[in-house]
Amino acid sequence: AQSVAQPEDQVNVAEGNPLTVKCTYSVSGNPYLFWYVQYPNRGLQFLLKYITGDNLVKGSYGFEAEFNKSQTSFHLKKPSALVSDSALYFCAVRGRDTGRRALTFGSGTRLQVQP
Amino acid sequence: DAGVTQSPTHLIKTRGQQVTLRCSPISGHKSVSWYQQVLGQGPQFIFQYYEKEERGRGNFPDRFSARQFPNYSSELNVNALLLGDSALYLCASSQFRDTGSGGSGNTIYFGEGSWLTVV
Repeated sequence: AQSVAQPEDQVNVAEGNPLTVKCTYSVSGNPYLFWYVQYPNRGLQFLLKYITGDNLVKGSYGFEAEFNKSQTSFHLKKPSALVSDSALYFCAVRGRDTGRRALTFGSGTRLQVQP
Repeated sequence: DAGVTQSPTHLIKTRGQQVTLRCSPISGHKSVSWYQQVLGQGPQFIFQYYEKEERGRGNFPDRFSARQFPNYSSELNVNALLLGDSALYLCASSQFRDTGSGGSGNTIYFGEGSWLTVV
């Protein structure tokens, strides 16, 4: 079975400071990893993904994520937070087994950026 | 280009009723998946369809069913609604590839969802 843990329900950061939203995963074999953002009363917006190759993945809106295989982590980062980054962030994993095509999501982390 | 479109955006149903939710994938995408997001939780996988065939099913009761049409659009049906079915239902589309070898085809794009309230 595959699973995702987002250990922080909420992350608070001041505007202009760097931010990190943590994610660890469990999956058989090598993973596909994703980050999505959800604004209030909206669907999920794709931010970035790790498929293979470089462990540092760059995505939309200045976000990036670092894949660490030994720690089974895929933390989301941004060098300088904006108030408009305040939203709910979801990490998701999918195994490479062609029989398991569904995404498994974490419980989400609410990011609050204070002006 | 249009993204994933879902209808209706909001609806209210009574316990025991049936509901049909509709989804149109991104143009060129052949795979459609459905997810349920209960308030305060992450989305949970319900179904995946590709080329009109069911390719995956999550841990949901038989009251939930879906189908995909020749134009790749999809419907999710829920019968005998329960209060616990109240949730945001998300449709997602992707360019499905069987090899699992990676690439842009593995990105799953979501619609804005259909908010279902069961009273």
